[in-house]
Amino acid sequence: AQSVTQPDIHITVSEGASLELRCNYSYGATPYLFWYVQSPGQGLQLLLKYFSGDTLVQGIKGFEAEFKRSQSSFNLRKPSVHWSDAAEYFCAVGADYNQGGKLIFGQGTELSVKP
Amino acid sequence: DAGITQSPRHKVTETGTPVTLRCHQTENHRYMYWYRQDPGHGLRLIHYSYGVKDTDKGEVSDGYSVSRSKTEDFLLTLESATSSQTSVYFCATGMGFGGMAEQFFGPGTRLTVL
Repeated sequence: AQSVTQPDIHITVSEGASLELRCNYSYGATPYLFWYVQSPGQGLQLLLKYFSGDTLVQGIKGFEAEFKRSQSSFNLRKPSVHWSDAAEYFCAVGADYNQGGKLIFGQGTELSVKP
Repeated sequence: DAGITQSPRHKVTETGTPVTLRCHQTENHRYMYWYRQDPGHGLRLIHYSYGVKDTDKGEVSDGYSVSRSKTEDFLLTLESATSSQTSVYFCATGMGFGGMAEQFFGPGTRLTVL
């Protein structure tokens, strides 16, 4: 069965510092991977997605993620964090084709940004 | 962004009462989903729909039922609300699986069961 693990429940970084949020997945075939962001009191917004091809994908708000098949990872990065990036971040993997387009979500990583 | 609205946005109810949450979409997406979000659990799938009148259970479906009589509407019903169903509920829509598995989320409904 597919699963997603986000090892860090909460991360604090200083504004202007670089950021890396970890995501590990379990999936037998080529995965379809997503990162979503949730600001307080809001719904989830898609940051970026990986389907195939180039393993480094660019997203909105200056985020990027790298797919590493050998490590079963899809880590999210940003070179310089802004205070407005404080939010909760969710990694997700697409379930098998016969499961109604479901996504399997990790438990989320809450990001705090210090001034 | 997909046009997804949820109603009500906030609701307080008492244990044992029925509650219906509504999700409405204007994007003509085939798939619709109901999640609940609780601290420490992330998002958990309650039920989903892969077409009008076609629904299936997710991982936390006990105590919940759904209906989809039109493409644009997906209703979630708590037949007899319990305090353990206090949560934030999100509706999402999608166009398919694999490469089309991206989901679009509504703003959420905060439900409190006293």
